[in-house]
Amino acid sequence: GQQLNQSPQSMFIQEGEDVSMNCTSSSIFNTWLWYKQDPGEGPVLLIALYKAGELTSNGRLTAQFGITRKDSFLNISASIPSDVGIYFCAGPPAGGTSYGKLTFGQGTILTVHP
Amino acid sequence: GAVVSQHPSRVICKSGTSVKIECRSLDFQATTMFWYRQFPKQSLMLMATSNEGSKATYEQGVEKDKFLINHASLTLSTLTVTSAHPEDSSFYICSARRAGGGNEQFFGPGTRLTVL
Repeated sequence: GQQLNQSPQSMFIQEGEDVSMNCTSSSIFNTWLWYKQDPGEGPVLLIALYKAGELTSNGRLTAQFGITRKDSFLNISASIPSDVGIYFCAGPPAGGTSYGKLTFGQGTILTVHP
Repeated sequence: GAVVSQHPSRVICKSGTSVKIECRSLDFQATTMFWYRQFPKQSLMLMATSNEGSKATYEQGVEKDKFLINHASLTLSTLTVTSAHPEDSSFYICSARRAGGGNEQFFGPGTRLTVL
């Protein structure tokens, strides 16, 4: 099936630092979604991107839909301890009959040291 | 808006029993709901896609007779793990896609199943 390559797999940073993670695919995506999952909870939608080149912010979070439609990145500025969690990129592959199914990246585990 | 609830949040059962998990979209109608399974520190694994009023579509390798899915209304889907065994212990998460909405899926808080 479709694969999303998400990197890095994990990050250990100091509070206040900026964070960047990205997802790449060999296939074109029409939508890119970024989720955060806290331990023992379900993922929460952070940002949704719908058009190639789109740059969208949500507070300290910024995400971009790559021009080639095969990649996306998520930046977190001035990290704080509550940013800890697993971040997933996801999207429905373009074309085909996915019936709304999402392909997920492997996740980036973020640890923030106070 | 776009709140999804799951019940129960955690359940412990004996091997051989059946467990039902409910997924509800609280403030929107969901034509499609999805059931995932997640192992520690891993990504979400889609088990099945549930459309209101029709049979669920299961992913390859997922036993439909073991994981019974019912999507009786536009706000409720249930997953029943039948004759549960310890290897079924996992974190089960549902999501819902808004009727007439985009590709976003809104996730429930998950259900931690432990089979003894």
